[in-house]
Amino acid sequence: EVQLVQSGAEVKKPGESLKISCAGIGYSFTKSWIGWVRQMPGKGLEWMGIIFPDDSDTRYNRSFQGQVTISADKSLSTAFLQWSSLKAADTATYYCVVGGRALLNFRFDHWGPGTLVTVSS
Amino acid sequence: SYELTQPPSVSVAPGKTARITCGGDNIGSKSVHWYQQKPGQAPLLVIYSDSARPSGIPERLSGSNSGNTATLTISRAAAGDEADYYCQVWDSNAAVFGTGTRVTVL
Repeated sequence: EVQLVQSGAEVKKPGESLKISCAGIGYSFTKSWIGWVRQMPGKGLEWMGIIFPDDSDTRYNRSFQGQVTISADKSLSTAFLQWSSLKAADTATYYCVVGGRALLNFRFDHWGPGTLVTVSS
Repeated sequence: SYELTQPPSVSVAPGKTARITCGGDNIGSKSVHWYQQKPGQAPLLVIYSDSARPSGIPERLSGSNSGNTATLTISRAAAGDEADYYCQVWDSNAAVFGTGTRVTVL
């Protein structure tokens, strides 16, 4: 059974840095794309980006390029999403998502429970 | 960039059929996936590749895709179908989600 175990909720101040994590269990971590989807309070789903852990090939939504960094540690079977300087507008739930091996017609087969990030002064 | 448009809300009586549309330019040439998100929960893949169902998804949920519109159909609607539904495609090296539709069973 595929499981995505995400790190716990965070409360941060504007300007602080943050790195949240997602451990992938029960599937071939290095051979499946893994990524992140943002959901702001009361809003829809926004794809942020994905990474292929085997070679660290990373694809970003243009809207998030330069705003966040997606990475993965093969030895830990864990993916990360990080910010260097948070803004109040980053307040959202962040879902870890896993798809298949190929990008053609890519879909998100499995979702983590979400990590709530609150940024407030 | 590619855009997917969904109606904000759809209401359906118990036991009846609800249809949720997802509009996009020539979407019929793309593979459409659908997700169900119940309140306080993570989304769940319910339809992939236009009309295929993952294991465990009831046959009451079905999908179709042609021309400029993809459709998710919920037959014999029940209270447990109340949720937000999102369509999604992969286009130009990016995942695109629809605007989302809230389904109310009343």
